[in-house]
Amino acid sequence: DSGVTQTPKHLITATGQRVTLRCSPRSGDLSVYWYQQSLDQGLQFLIQYYNGEERAKGNILERFSAQQFPDLHSELNLSSLELGDSALYFCASSASNQPQHFGDGTRLSIL
Amino acid sequence: QKEVEQDPGPLSVPEGAIVSLNCTYSNSAFQYFMWYRQYSRKGPELLMYTYSSGNKEDGRFTAQVDKSSKYISLFIRDSQPSDSATYLCAMISNAGNMLTFGGGTRLMVKP
Repeated sequence: DSGVTQTPKHLITATGQRVTLRCSPRSGDLSVYWYQQSLDQGLQFLIQYYNGEERAKGNILERFSAQQFPDLHSELNLSSLELGDSALYFCASSASNQPQHFGDGTRLSIL
Repeated sequence: QKEVEQDPGPLSVPEGAIVSLNCTYSNSAFQYFMWYRQYSRKGPELLMYTYSSGNKEDGRFTAQVDKSSKYISLFIRDSQPSDSATYLCAMISNAGNMLTFGGGTRLMVKP
């Protein structure tokens, strides 16, 4: 158990809808990262938050947004969903200058 | 060309064999190197974390980094069926916190 908790484990929705994925980092970790894993693209970095502030951005679509709350949990919001957004979404957390530890992900299925 | 290249496999070996997994990279800014293991329907699990060129050993696992050749390896001794998983190399530069992953190698260890 990595200590990173993601909910829900599986989400099924339709095109055009909006969903929110939630992540609780390991105790004491101030950084939270979001990654997308698909069969054709592999694991791709989306966005990082550090202690509530956005720190780094990858190839995150404008339809996607994230935030980190004062209790350090984070949410990834995906809107106007398309079939191609079907993927595994992982959250990771780390302490400063330490390696990232991953949760077990949310599997998003768009019908 | 991808920044990190990894043979996708699958790699099939008998139980007890020594396994060699490799990644090459093109970005000389990468300074920290990690190996993650990912079981089906689970998140990546950190196995090894190295900084300098050379070897690092942890139990049956040895990570090797050759920065001059931009080449990293993971060796697994006395492989077990429970080692059957996808192995992902990942890298990070000094300046950024974004992990760049290889595509993963699927390993199957047969009893």
